[in-house]
Amino acid sequence: SQQGEEDPQALSIQEGENATMNCSYKTSINNLQWYRQNSGRGLVHLILIRSNEREKHSGRLRVTLDTSKKSSSLLITASRAADTASYFCGGADGLTFGKGTHLIIQP
Amino acid sequence: DAGVTQSPTHLIKTRGQHVTLRCSPISGHKSVSWYQQVLGQGPQFIFQYYEKEERGRGNFPDRFSARQFPNYSSELNVNALLLGDSALYLCASSLIADTRTDTQYFGPGTRLTVL
Repeated sequence: SQQGEEDPQALSIQEGENATMNCSYKTSINNLQWYRQNSGRGLVHLILIRSNEREKHSGRLRVTLDTSKKSSSLLITASRAADTASYFCGGADGLTFGKGTHLIIQP
Repeated sequence: DAGVTQSPTHLIKTRGQHVTLRCSPISGHKSVSWYQQVLGQGPQFIFQYYEKEERGRGNFPDRFSARQFPNYSSELNVNALLLGDSALYLCASSLIADTRTDTQYFGPGTRLTVL
């Protein structure tokens, strides 16, 4: 399967805390992409990490990639209420997605 | 520049009817992909079109069809609607056909309810 699988399925934290979610995949990748989806809306692209990169930052987001373990993690630092959303990683083909991690930030 | 647009926003149909959903990609993007997202699940790939040709098809029945026009806009058609077709239908566009390397930009979706 080229699908990425996100873990955990749901995560609830207090505002200001850091949130970490993981993605595992089974086939080799060129890139891995993370997306955010607010309730009932389209996906928004967050960050792309290439297979030869190990870590990438964008604002409060930090993505790591471990190709030997076929896994990636997304860290959101200093979480805000607006970060409440579902987060997906794109699979190896860029077309398949797992069920996502549903993140809830409690005020 | 406008992002990906989809119409209509919401749609209610009854079983057995037919529906057409529309998508306009970002200007300059030649690839359009369609996804179905059932509540609580991730988006499921239906079709990809590039330069008016079908480039990929997901595991959906023949009741689902699509096409891309010369201006790169696209339509998704679903015939003989079933209750299980109720979902959010997402369209995404990208510059090139290779979704492994290119970022997809998603529209806001069309919420289809089948009664």
